[in-house]
Amino acid sequence: GESVGLHLPTLSVQEGDNSIINCAYSNSASDYFIWYKQESGKGPQFIIDIRSNMDKRQGQRVTVLLNKTVKHLSLQIAATQPGDSAVYFCAEIGAGGSYIPTFGRGTSLIVHP
Amino acid sequence: DGGITQSPKYLFRKEGQNVTLSCEQNLNHDAMYWYRQDPGQGLRLIYYSQIVNDFQKGDIAEGYSVSREKKESFPLTVTSAQKNPTAFYLCASSIVGQGRQPQHFGDGTRLSIL
Repeated sequence: GESVGLHLPTLSVQEGDNSIINCAYSNSASDYFIWYKQESGKGPQFIIDIRSNMDKRQGQRVTVLLNKTVKHLSLQIAATQPGDSAVYFCAEIGAGGSYIPTFGRGTSLIVHP
Repeated sequence: DGGITQSPKYLFRKEGQNVTLSCEQNLNHDAMYWYRQDPGQGLRLIYYSQIVNDFQKGDIAEGYSVSREKKESFPLTVTSAQKNPTAFYLCASSIVGQGRQPQHFGDGTRLSIL
């Protein structure tokens, strides 16, 4: 089927390497950020989130870093595996009463065995 | 297991035909959403609903309609007025009112034109 990764920025890594996927967000008032993983033909899967009162949060093999000064978010995946191959995209939610996220276009991660 | 179920997985529409995409969730989430995904683009919001019997237009609502008669269900109708309906449609749900919470997604319906 048609790939959601078509025409997206692509990051190619070797199995076992660490991967870093970046996201520049648009709204300086955003106070909640989410990373999703989307495999071909499937819906996005929640990976990790971070609130604006933090600059780092760790999960299992993943770390999210938030730099509010330059409006930059990154997802680090340790010891990348072939099963990590997917499109990764970030989402931001503004402060106040909003709960509707704005989604980035995503980055296609390709892990070579 | 709790989750969001979208059906069908693949759908074909003839010219002038309305088609309805199903979305059901058993997560007891108040809010539900419909997104359209085109290759190489971010998710675009079509409609969303925070409570039963109430819904709001998103960024690209023209040519689409929804209903929210039950908390668990949020079907999307792609009408004949939508001239470019070929896309991957994603339904999501989330908790509302407990601070910021992530959306949970179904596995999508791919709609194509015959």
